[in-house]
Amino acid sequence: AQSVAQPEDQVNVAEGNPLTVKCTYSVSGNPYLFWYVQYPNRGLQFLLKYITGDNLVKGSYGFEAEFNKSQTSFHLKKPSALVSDSALYFCAVRGLSGSARQLTFGSGTQLTVLP
Amino acid sequence: DTAVSQTPKYLVTQMGNDKSIKCEQNLGHDTMYWYKQDSKKFLKIMFSYNNKELIINETVPNRFSPKSPDKAHLNLHINSLELGDSAVYFCASQEGLISGNTIYFGEGSWLTVV
Repeated sequence: AQSVAQPEDQVNVAEGNPLTVKCTYSVSGNPYLFWYVQYPNRGLQFLLKYITGDNLVKGSYGFEAEFNKSQTSFHLKKPSALVSDSALYFCAVRGLSGSARQLTFGSGTQLTVLP
Repeated sequence: DTAVSQTPKYLVTQMGNDKSIKCEQNLGHDTMYWYKQDSKKFLKIMFSYNNKELIINETVPNRFSPKSPDKAHLNLHINSLELGDSAVYFCASQEGLISGNTIYFGEGSWLTVV
């Protein structure tokens, strides 16, 4: 069965500093990887995804993520954090076929950007 | 315009009651989902429909019954509500069944059973 690990429940970073939210995955075959963000009392907003091609994927709000096949990782990054980036971030994976096509989420990482 | 909309956003009800959550998407997608987010923020798929046909039915109590009158709507009916049903329920949709297509989520429905 596929799975996603987000090893940090909480990440704190100062405004203006670079941020990284870590994600590793396990799936049979080639992965399709996604990042979503959830603001308080709101739904999940799509940030970016990796399907194939360039390992560095750029998404909404200045976020980017790097796919690393050998380390089975898909870390989310932003060069300069904003206070408004404070939210709950979810990494998710899908496989190619069958039940693996279900979107499987990690447990989430709460990002707090301190002014 | 909201792409995936759910009603109601907040619902407080007593144990034993029956309630429904409605979902509509205006993206022209043909696949829709219900996800449950528990108190620890963990997200898990409940159901998936493609062109009104059930394609995923996870281990969910049969008190939960989804209904898709057309491919733009997927409603969730819950019978005999229990305290443990308290959660946030997210509706979502995507184009087709391809894994690389993005799943778009609604704003969520906060269900509290007292």
